[in-house]
Amino acid sequence: KAGVTQTPRYLIKTRGQQVTLSCSPISGHRSVSWYQQTPGQGLQFLFEYFSETQRNKGNFPGRFSGRQFSNSRSEMNVSTLELGDSALYLCASSLSDTQYFGPGTRLTVL
Amino acid sequence: GQQLNQSPQSMFIQEGEDVSMNCTSSSIFNTWLWYKQDPGEGPVLLIALYKAGELTSNGRLTAQFGITRKDSFLNISASIPSDVGIYFCAGKETSGSRLTFGEGTQLTVNP
Repeated sequence: KAGVTQTPRYLIKTRGQQVTLSCSPISGHRSVSWYQQTPGQGLQFLFEYFSETQRNKGNFPGRFSGRQFSNSRSEMNVSTLELGDSALYLCASSLSDTQYFGPGTRLTVL
Repeated sequence: GQQLNQSPQSMFIQEGEDVSMNCTSSSIFNTWLWYKQDPGEGPVLLIALYKAGELTSNGRLTAQFGITRKDSFLNISASIPSDVGIYFCAGKETSGSRLTFGEGTQLTVNP
């Protein structure tokens, strides 16, 4: 089976712009979770989608949003980018209790 | 909120040595997962633990789910240079898929 894929792998944006990241889960997995990884804060949970519905949400501002499509693919959007949003954004898919991560999207905000 | 303390933060060992790292939580988890992350890549699942007291091996790796459900450890035996990387523990509560991660253990193996 193909693993979790994320696009793009690298992205450079400027402050104030918005960005959309994409994640394709492992075939058959219906749950997709998003995490932000920074050197200072480590891995922090953003949100989880299951069957096109947001099931769980972390402590991030409303500028961070997501959605899931009927084929389980998911996107996350960050609006009005800030310098502090520079991070590795990771997507994980799961069938039950075990989460499998994609390679991440490295976002740099200038 | 949930807090996971992972130790040690870093380890410098010689090839062939055994390694041990652990995580403790302020709350109970129902699943413990151990991941390894290489620079610029996503975490790769090493071992998953689902029951208190469970001891699971994956090659040279062994992990245990603590009886209190608030801790877990990972052992690596006979380390090799490709074991270099950052190891993370992660815990999951019953509901939903939110994982809480430890701060990571940076492992360096000297040949």
